[in-house]
Amino acid sequence: NAGVMQNPRHLVRRRGQEARLRCSPMKGHSHVYWYRQLPEEGLKFMVYLQKENIIDESGMPKERFSAEFPKEGPSILRIQQVVRGDSAAYFCASSPRQASNTGELFFGEGSRLTVL
Amino acid sequence: QQQVKQSPQSLIVQKGGISIINCAYENTAFDYFPWYQQFPGKGPALLIAIRPDVSEKKEGRFTISFNKSAKQFSLHIMDSQPGDSATYFCAAVGGGADGLTFGKGTHLIIQP
Repeated sequence: NAGVMQNPRHLVRRRGQEARLRCSPMKGHSHVYWYRQLPEEGLKFMVYLQKENIIDESGMPKERFSAEFPKEGPSILRIQQVVRGDSAAYFCASSPRQASNTGELFFGEGSRLTVL
Repeated sequence: QQQVKQSPQSLIVQKGGISIINCAYENTAFDYFPWYQQFPGKGPALLIAIRPDVSEKKEGRFTISFNKSAKQFSLHIMDSQPGDSATYFCAAVGGGADGLTFGKGTHLIIQP
């Protein structure tokens, strides 16, 4: 049973370009969470999605960031017109039920974005 | 997202010693407190968790102590080993948040 799969593992973009990060949850998991990790800052919640629905995007910056989890295919975190401050590790996590009920998230290995 | 405060930021312990990491929270609506372990280049993974109706939970060398009145909980790693060197995150579940609210992490180094 494969774990949470994220790709790319490493991504380099120049300022102003777009970054697309993909996440395939564990089999049977329909709840996906995205977190951003900066050094010394821990894991910051960004967005919580279920299939085809954004449930909570309270942690997403208002501009340039968007997320989706289509009926078919992986969840995608999209960052438009990247800036150096977007450089971070982005982690996707999945759960068979809402995390507030289970208390456990299964994390992927992350996508490390570097903006030049 | 509500805050969970974690300390220390980094910790160095000799092999065989006890590693202690502390966390504190404000929101009394949190109802589950997991700890995650993260190795370099990997994603966090659940290590051990506790509910607030229990004061202590032990799994092998890892123990969570929970003080509900003080709104504090801590992770103890007994007989610490070099393989325990990792970053540890405490977290809290509930309180109206959809996901987990994480502390900032503790970078633990166990010296041989």
